[in-house]
Amino acid sequence: GEDVEQSLFLSVREGDSSVINCTYTDSSSTYLYWYKQEPGAGLQLLTYIFSNMDMKQDQRLTVLLNKKDKHLSLRIADTQTGDSAIYFCAERYDTGGFKTIFGAGTRLFVKA
Amino acid sequence: NAGVTQTPKFRVLKTGQSMTLLCAQDMNHEYMYWYRQDPGMGLRLIHYSVGEGTTAKGEVPDGYNVSRLKKQNFLLGLESAAPSQTSVYFCASSSLQGDYGYTFGSGTRLTVV
Repeated sequence: GEDVEQSLFLSVREGDSSVINCTYTDSSSTYLYWYKQEPGAGLQLLTYIFSNMDMKQDQRLTVLLNKKDKHLSLRIADTQTGDSAIYFCAERYDTGGFKTIFGAGTRLFVKA
Repeated sequence: NAGVTQTPKFRVLKTGQSMTLLCAQDMNHEYMYWYRQDPGMGLRLIHYSVGEGTTAKGEVPDGYNVSRLKKQNFLLGLESAAPSQTSVYFCASSSLQGDYGYTFGSGTRLTVV
């Protein structure tokens, strides 16, 4: 069935770049998303990319999409301690009705 | 500009008790969703609604009921709570089919003992 997979943890030093990876299984995806969840809070949409795009940049965030390999990544430049959170990848695809599925989330630790 | 508001934020129930989780959005969104979040499992869709007066089952609907009597409100009910329903519940809303992403509430942490 449809699935979105992410690694569970990532640790980086403050000032370094972080790269969070995600793989998905459904080839009929239309949009792919990155959400951020801070402790005790709901998910906040960070960015999204349409499936016919390869890259999208938004300030410190760069999203890369490799549709052939069904691989999505989120790069955070100059990572700060305030970036410590759980990052969720999500895929929206058309099954005859649109459906969105979420990965389990990657917990990013930023060391000062 | 409240966005999506969930009440209550925390609740402890005894097995067999019932309760209703409330979700309200002020963005005039057509679509609303209820998810549960469990450790290591991401978010799983319980029920959703594509408009006032309509509801549909998601991935894990058993043990839950929903109602969407008004466009801005989406209620999630537990008729007879079970320990397996201990979770964090998130409500979300979107315009159209959510192509541009969802707006989430801050969650309700429910413990069933």
